Amino acid sequence: EVQLVESGGVVVQPGGSLRLSCAASGFTFDDYTMHWVRQPPGKGLEWVSLISWHGDSTYYADSVKGRFTISRDNSRNSLYLQMNSLRTEDTAFYYCAKESSGSSSFQHWGQGTLVTVSS
Amino acid sequence: QSALTQPRSVSGSPGQSVTISCTGTSSDVGGYNYVSWYQLHPGKAPKLMIYDVSKRPSGVPDRFSGSKSGNTASLTISGLQAEDEADYYCCSYAGSYTWVFGGGTKLTVL
Repeated sequence: EVQLVESGGVVVQPGGSLRLSCAASGFTFDDYTMHWVRQPPGKGLEWVSLISWHGDSTYYADSVKGRFTISRDNSRNSLYLQMNSLRTEDTAFYYCAKESSGSSSFQHWGQGTLVTVSS
Repeated sequence: QSALTQPRSVSGSPGQSVTISCTGTSSDVGGYNYVSWYQLHPGKAPKLMIYDVSKRPSGVPDRFSGSKSGNTASLTISGLQAEDEADYYCCSYAGSYTWVFGGGTKLTVL
């Protein structure tokens, strides 16, 4: 069974930094492109970033470009999101998602971790 | 990139059918056959219901179907059941390795 478990969400001050982790199991992690998607409380989903299976291609939404960095460690079956220069509008549940094989959709998701940016 | 447009809410009685629309542009929904739909229940991981406009993942009931015409995609749920009550989000590939979601639709089963 595919499992994705996010961790690292906390309360942080504006301008601060945070690293989220996503532990993957139940599938061959290094075969798949992985994504981060976020959802501010009470609002809609927003795609954040993707990383290719080998880790050398990364892409970001304009809203986080230059502040967030996605990475992965295939030896640890883990995905990461380094978040710098955090803003109040970054407050959200952050989900990691496994891309569907052969399709531009998100086949499996974790339950999310809450990041709150507040002074 | 602007969010895709979905109705805020839809409702239907058990056994009825409902359709949720998702309107974008020629740069996203209209430009690619990569529309997907997700079901969100509070406190649970989002679930993929439809991908590539109209394909159903294994395990998703055939009561769920998807379609697209021009810049508008649609999710139809037939034979509504109580457990279908949830938030539904559409998503489209938008080119240059970016994706855009809809604002979400709350489905109420009366």
